[in-house]
Order: sequence, then C-alpha cells, then structure tokens
Amino acid sequence: GQQLNQSPQSMFIQEGEDVSMNCTSSSIFNTWLWYKQEPGEGPVLLIALYKAGELTSNGRLTAQFGITRKDSFLNISASIPSDVGIYFCAGGTQGAQKLVFGQGTRLTINP
Amino acid sequence: DGGITQSPKYLFRKEGQNVTLSCEQNLNHDAMYWYRQDPGQGLRLIYYSQIVNDFQKGDIAEGYSVSREKKESFPLTVTSAQKNPTAFYLCASMQQGPGELFFGEGSRLTVL
Repeated sequence: GQQLNQSPQSMFIQEGEDVSMNCTSSSIFNTWLWYKQEPGEGPVLLIALYKAGELTSNGRLTAQFGITRKDSFLNISASIPSDVGIYFCAGGTQGAQKLVFGQGTRLTINP
Repeated sequence: DGGITQSPKYLFRKEGQNVTLSCEQNLNHDAMYWYRQDPGQGLRLIYYSQIVNDFQKGDIAEGYSVSREKKESFPLTVTSAQKNPTAFYLCASMQQGPGELFFGEGSRLTVL
C-alpha cells in the first residue's frame, strides 16, 4: 500500500536539543496527523492538522501542514527524556476511510 | 472513560491454532481498523470496517478474518493460515474519514 516518506528514520540527540522531522508525499492530503508511540503501547495522537499552511502547537510540540499539501513537519523544542519513542506521521484524503502512515522516526535522547 | 480496549494484552499460541483478539470501543465511532506492527517497523493495515456487517481487506489480510456484528466491537481472528503471526496487533477507530484515528493499547501475540 501507499506510504509516506518520513525522515529521518532515527535520531540520537542530547537532552535539551530541538528536534525536527518531516513527512513528504507525491500525493495531496487533506489531513495530516502526528502520533507518538512508546514501547509496548499503542500510538497516541499528538497533533491533527486540517488546513494547508496551518501551524499548530501542543506544548513543546509544533506541527505544520505544508502549503503544497504534500508535506508536514513536526518540531519538538527543548527535548526531555520522556520524549523518547517512535513518531509517526499519517495523511488522509477526502473520501478515503483509511490513513496512510509513514515508517516512523525513532527518537533516542542521551541525558 | 471513553476509549478503545484490546484484550488480551499478551497471548501465546501454538502453531496451527486459531486465536481471536478482542477490540471494543465506547467512542461511538463508525469505523474500526486492525493494524499489524513488527519490531522496528511501521503499521500495516489488516482489515477495516466502516459500518456494522461490512468490512474491507487491507494490505495484509491473508490469514486473518474479522467480523463486525456490533458497532462497538471488531474482533480479529488470526488463523492457522497466517504464516508468521508473531507480532504486535493494534486496533483503532475513527468517527469519519479522513479524521483522527485513535488506537488501543495493543495485543502482543507470540506463536511458540
């Protein structure tokens, strides 16, 4: 099935650093979603975006819906140890009943 | 609390046995989904259902079966035909597409 191109695949950073990851597609999406998954748990929705150009924050997290509707990025500022996990992007198109997911970005933080 | 409940959390099965994973939601969502996740991998769609008594195959439906007899329930059966069933299984639901998808906590199946 279709997949989004999510990068980077993994990140190793120091505590306190800012993090940036993105998702790109050759197709247009009407919805972009960002999830975080911790080991042994289900993904948790962090941010949902519904309009091209939309910039939305959730605490230290900021996500943007690309103006071309073919990409989205997620930034985490001042990372802390509990930010460790796998971050997934997902895109949805009008009329479609299923989302398309990226392969995930695994974030590791050195204290 | 509203949410999605998957059970069991952990399940062990012998080769050749069928096993059914339960998924119940009280969010009043119309659509429900089953995903499979292998270690270090992304999410792959097994089956999904938009309404009661109707469901569609996802990308990796072979060896799996589902039913949707009630709006709040979407059980997944992993049959003996599934060649590599050991994985982490995630159930999810959505009010209407393409909207916000909410996940359960997952069920880890290990075939011995």
